[in-house]
Amino acid sequence: DAGITQSPRYKITETGRQVTLMCHQTWSHSYMFWYRQDLGHGLRLIYYSAAADITDKGEVSDGYVVSRSKTENFPLTLESATRSQTSVYFCASAGGSGNTIYFGEGSWLTVV
Amino acid sequence: SQQGEEDPQALSIQEGENATMNCSYKTSINNLQWYRQNSGRGLVHLILIRSNEREKHSGRLRVTLDTSKKSSSLLITASRAADTASYFCATVNTGGFKTIFGAGTRLFVKA
Repeated sequence: DAGITQSPRYKITETGRQVTLMCHQTWSHSYMFWYRQDLGHGLRLIYYSAAADITDKGEVSDGYVVSRSKTENFPLTLESATRSQTSVYFCASAGGSGNTIYFGEGSWLTVV
Repeated sequence: SQQGEEDPQALSIQEGENATMNCSYKTSINNLQWYRQNSGRGLVHLILIRSNEREKHSGRLRVTLDTSKKSSSLLITASRAADTASYFCATVNTGGFKTIFGAGTRLFVKA
């Protein structure tokens, strides 16, 4: 039971580069989320998705792009990485509206 | 601004004592959930309470919800060193599934 997996787990990139964080879930959950976690801010919602081809902005979506062509995948792209995007990124999924959310182990991204 | 705000930001107690964490939110909700995060790991779901419920129990956990005050509390009884972690509340908006987390409470349980 693989659950929800993120890749890469650790990434160092340079300012201005495009970076894609991958997220894959094996439960066929309808709902998927991307959060970033910074010290003192808890988790902030970047994007969320109710189903394939349906995505919506969260609290801090500027500078990020998502796609969801398949139910099981929800990649997050930083179009032109900035130092302020250095963070831990968590992908998550849920089987139904308002249901328990299951988290991946996180992707540590450093932008230098 | 964040929907859920936890209080206190940090809490340090002795093993065997009870730990209480509070969460306040701003808008109408479908349900409120509590999660736990061990250092360097993803969040793990603890308990969910729906907007029409006032209290819920799960093992050593007790959650209350007061929708008139837009607040919830998480009580961990007879705490253990292994309970040391960060605890987050998350709210799901009415009619939707957008889930917003607070900044969390860091709990330290001393053996």
